[in-house]
Amino acid sequence: QQPVQSPQAVILREGEDAVINCSSSKALYSVHWYRQKHGEAPVFLMILLKGGEQKGHDKISASFNEKKQQSSLYLTASQLSYSGTYFCGTEIPRSARQLTFGSGTQLTVLP
Amino acid sequence: DAGVTQSPTHLIKTRGQQVTLRCSPKSGHDTVSWYQQALGQGPQFIFQYYEEEERQRGNFPDRFSGHQFPNYSSELNVNALLLGDSALYLCASSLGSGLDNEQFFGPGTRLTVL
Repeated sequence: QQPVQSPQAVILREGEDAVINCSSSKALYSVHWYRQKHGEAPVFLMILLKGGEQKGHDKISASFNEKKQQSSLYLTASQLSYSGTYFCGTEIPRSARQLTFGSGTQLTVLP
Repeated sequence: DAGVTQSPTHLIKTRGQQVTLRCSPKSGHDTVSWYQQALGQGPQFIFQYYEEEERQRGNFPDRFSGHQFPNYSSELNVNALLLGDSALYLCASSLGSGLDNEQFFGPGTRLTVL
């Protein structure tokens, strides 16, 4: 089942903060975050593993609530380059590392 | 350090034809996953290859098949193309073993079926 992302779209000014949420109905092993700009491939940002380990981008942070099967991506002091569509990909245990992606959150940062 | 590469970049085919897409994984990676991304949607998992075998498959018909070579590169084949197969096909590479599963995507192949 596809994870649910919210909001679907957000517009903010440079320097403002944003939070993007990802929620799953299944018990998760890990959550992956990607940013995709128009016409380009998704770029890896962050992986959050069950048990709290986190690996990824040094200017973007994220959390993973294992009890609620929810993850949030925190974008602070946004830059113009942060614009794009953000996808979360979820991995369930014993799925041979298959990722199921949400439908995306479109983020637009204005000057 | 070369990242994930895919070829060709763009492809135009007609209904009923067959197509082969190619992917070379990031150096040091041994696992290749293929995804289909329709316009405005998130990537959808097609299948994954590890140790030259299909390890996991998503909800795609048998018209979609693949192969992995000893050097870990991979091919995606689609037979009897339909208009609905038009999409961006993404290849992602990762390490098959280990606790984490960071997947890095290639630039994709844009397939248009007329």
